[in-house]
Amino acid sequence: EAEVAQSPRYKITEKSQAVAFWCDPISGHATLYWYRQILGQGPELLVQFQDESVVDDSQLPKDRFSAERLKGVDSTLKIQPAELGDSAMYLCASSLVGGSSYEQYFGPGTRLTVT
Amino acid sequence: KQEVTQIPAALSVPEGENLVLNCSFTDSAIYNLQWFRQDPGKGLTSLLLIQSSQREQTSGRLNASLDKSSGRSTLYIAASQPGDSATYLCAVYNNNDMRFGAGTRLTVKP
Repeated sequence: EAEVAQSPRYKITEKSQAVAFWCDPISGHATLYWYRQILGQGPELLVQFQDESVVDDSQLPKDRFSAERLKGVDSTLKIQPAELGDSAMYLCASSLVGGSSYEQYFGPGTRLTVT
Repeated sequence: KQEVTQIPAALSVPEGENLVLNCSFTDSAIYNLQWFRQDPGKGLTSLLLIQSSQREQTSGRLNASLDKSSGRSTLYIAASQPGDSATYLCAVYNNNDMRFGAGTRLTVKP
C-alpha cells in the first residue's frame, strides 16, 4: 500500500540552528499539506500545496519558516532559526486533489526537539 | 472560526467493552468529517471519512455517525481490545480548511 514518506523521523537541534524536513507524498497526489502538532493538541495546518503552488500559508510563521515543492512532487519544510517553541511533531499529508471529497493520508511525522 | 472539541480527553475501559467517543464542532457548514487514530509518537491513520451528505460510516468494529445540525459526531468502538489503545482525533473540513480536535486518549486494559 502506498504511503507518505517523511525524513528524518527524529531531529534534535539547538536553538538558532537551521533544520529541514522532507516529505514524499503518495504517487499521483497533487495536494500536499504540512501540519505542526504540539504535544497534547491536534495538528494545525502550516501550508498547503496544489502541485507546486502554495494554496494556503496563512498560518506559516514566514519570518522563520519556509516551504517549497519545486517539481510538484516532494516537499521540504525549513526552519531558520529554530526556537524552543518549535519543538513539536511535524506531519506531512497528501490527498489526490484538494477539497472536501478526498481523504488526507498522513506520513509518520518528524519529531523535532529544540534545545 | 471553526472550533472542534473532543470529550472525554482520556478514557480507560476494560477489554470487551463497547465505547463511544464524542466530537463537537461549532460551525455546522462542514463538507466532511474524518476520524483518525494516532499511536504514541506516530503519524495519523485515517479510520473513517463521512461526507456532509452522509449520516454514518462503518468499518469493522468502528461506526462513526454525523449530525451536522447539532454539530456532533460520535465514534463507536465495539468489543474493545488492548490493541485499540491510542489517541483518536476527529477533524472537520470546511472553507478549504481542516480543523482537528485535541483527541481522546483511549486505554483498553486486558
